[in-house]
Amino acid sequence: GAVVSQHPSWVICKSGTSVKIECRSLDFQATTMFWYRQFPKQSLMLMATSNEGSKATYEQGVEKDKFLINHASLTLSTLTVTSAHPEDSSFYICSGCKGQGYEQYFGPGTRLTVT
Amino acid sequence: EDQVTQSPEALRLQEGESSSLNCSYTVSGLRGLFWYRQDPGKGPEFLFTLYSAGEEKEKERLKATLTKKESFLHITAPKPEDSATYLCAVRPGSSNTGKLIFGQGTTLQVKP
Repeated sequence: GAVVSQHPSWVICKSGTSVKIECRSLDFQATTMFWYRQFPKQSLMLMATSNEGSKATYEQGVEKDKFLINHASLTLSTLTVTSAHPEDSSFYICSGCKGQGYEQYFGPGTRLTVT
Repeated sequence: EDQVTQSPEALRLQEGESSSLNCSYTVSGLRGLFWYRQDPGKGPEFLFTLYSAGEEKEKERLKATLTKKESFLHITAPKPEDSATYLCAVRPGSSNTGKLIFGQGTTLQVKP
């Protein structure tokens, strides 16, 4: 199997505060992890690609200083939403790449609501 | 430009009524086509990977096929528990990191 966990599963925070989301690959080592956000009834939107021990690569239009990504080990990547605002409310999902086939295995997602 | 288009956007079937979902792609150098299932409020669940035209894979009531321009996800005698959004994604030749390009998904509803 290939299991990815995320914590927390949901979080409510006040505008202006920061929120950290953890993504862990539980039974495999993920050299590369990805962070997505998903709006209701829309597909996944890739935010950034994270490689262990190096800086993340952000997609065009994603603010690097707002969405801080750290890939500290082969099993852990974190996404910190800094100075969150209501428009940052979304469903955030991470994934880890396993094997030479590069299959991505996704976490269960984190629902962020900023009030 | 690499692109993935899924059709239909939504599909309603009666239990037992077989059908197919389509995923058309335009990509430079396909390095894999992936199917996922996503239930509301959850992350996508990996189903299949296909690499070359003519390849087929099966899992329970699902069968995925691949041609040079498109992939089909065939659902045989679906049950209500097959209701979900099915996502298709491709890994282009330019992707050295495993980055995928996703389609918009097909939302399947199977009525008992």
